[in-house]
Amino acid sequence: SAVISQKPSRDICQRGTSLTIQCQVDSQVTMMFWYRQQPGQSLTLIATANQGSEATYESGFVIDKFPISRPNLTFSTLTVSNMSPEDSSIYLCSVTWDNKETQYFGPGTRLLVL
Amino acid sequence: QKEVEQNSGPLSVPEGAIASLNCTYSDRGSQSFFWYRQYSGKSPELIMSIYSNGDKEDGRFTAQLNKASQYVSLLIRDSQPSDSATYLCAVNIGSGTYKYIFGTGTRLKVLA
Repeated sequence: SAVISQKPSRDICQRGTSLTIQCQVDSQVTMMFWYRQQPGQSLTLIATANQGSEATYESGFVIDKFPISRPNLTFSTLTVSNMSPEDSSIYLCSVTWDNKETQYFGPGTRLLVL
Repeated sequence: QKEVEQNSGPLSVPEGAIASLNCTYSDRGSQSFFWYRQYSGKSPELIMSIYSNGDKEDGRFTAQLNKASQYVSLLIRDSQPSDSATYLCAVNIGSGTYKYIFGTGTRLKVLA
């Protein structure tokens, strides 16, 4: 099965700074998604990362705060901009393959904003 | 607004018993349903998907779907302490988007 990796695995950041999270897959995927999981809560979809075009954001999430890139079929980045303590969460990428709906998750990035 | 609901638990069952986890969803148009297991500090891992009414079995796991009642469940037979985790129900919102809505998850504790 394919391998999904995320970098960094965890980070501690100061408020007002930005962090870019990478998601790398070792084979071409159909769809890539970015989720946030706040402490003790379930997963909330931030956006769909579209290859070669702007991401599609869910209600409550905006490009200025969470810019996303997907330059090819195996890689995407999510930036958390101008961070505040409320951004402390686990950020997860997920992917689908072969035009199937099932999503598989990367290991996540644990972010703490002080 | 489309919703997926689960009892947050914790659901405690003795080792060897059957654990029954339930999920209801609001969108009648949903066609695809997924169960994920998430251990503390880890990312969700897929257990099963189900698309048709009825039961689908995979080892100790059985997913049950009733679209008329908008209800999907997961049964875990012969529960083991290693099954202790949070179980997330995910529902595809349709329209060819491949997007899910996740339930809040049910925390399962299997007591040795």
